[in-house]
Amino acid sequence: GQQVQQSPTSLVLQEGENAELQCNFSTSLNSMQWFYQRPGGSLVSVFYNPSGTKQSGRLTSTTVIKERRSSLHISSSQITDSGTYLCAMDRANYGNEKITFGAGTKLTIKP
Amino acid sequence: EAAVTQSPRNKVAVTGGKVTLSCNQTNNHNNMYWYRQDTGHGLRLIHYSYGAGSTEKGDIPDGYKASRPSQENFSLILELATPSQTSVYFCASGDHRVTGQLYFGEGSKLTVL
Repeated sequence: GQQVQQSPTSLVLQEGENAELQCNFSTSLNSMQWFYQRPGGSLVSVFYNPSGTKQSGRLTSTTVIKERRSSLHISSSQITDSGTYLCAMDRANYGNEKITFGAGTKLTIKP
Repeated sequence: EAAVTQSPRNKVAVTGGKVTLSCNQTNNHNNMYWYRQDTGHGLRLIHYSYGAGSTEKGDIPDGYKASRPSQENFSLILELATPSQTSVYFCASGDHRVTGQLYFGEGSKLTVL
C-alpha cells in the first residue's frame, strides 16, 4: 500500500477560508517536506520540517514524527494558493535519500 | 538561488526508440533524483545518485537506466521506450548535510507513440 497518505484528495474553499491538509506515513521516517506545485508547473519546497511546528506567513506546518503525521494549515486562503500540495518523507536514517511522495491534495480557492 | 535545469522540456518519441533526459544542477549537491509524475500517483522515484559515478534504483526502475558522469549532470535513459513511459519527468537535487530540502527542475513531458 501507499506509504504516504494525503487527505483530502481535493479541497474547494472560498477565498478567506482556512485550509487544513493532512499527511500520514505508514512507516517510520527521518524527516518530511511539504511542496507546492502550480498547475502544469514544477515543485517548490514550502516547508522542510523534521519535527515540530514551523510557520511562514499564512502557512503553518506541524509534524509529529513519532506519530507519523504532518499537517499543513493555510489561513485566510487566497486565490493564488490554488494548486497541488504534496508531502514527502525521507525514509533514510542519514537523510535526503529515498524520498517518497504522497499523491497530493488539489486545493482550489474560489473568489 | 538553487538551480536545476532539465532538457528537453518536451519530447515525442516512437515506441522502441531511445530517449535520454538530461538534468544539470548548479547547487553542488551530492544527491540527485529522477521522478515521474502521473495522475493519481504523485511522484514516484525512478533512480537516484549519491554523487558522480553512482546510481541507485528507486521504487520503479524497470525500463530505465541512469548515468551520473559528474557532480552537475544526471541523465535518465530509456533504451526501448514504451507508451507506458509517457509521463512528466522531474529531476531534483538535494544535500541533507546542508538543508535537507529538495530543489526541482521544471519537468520534461515525454510522449511515446
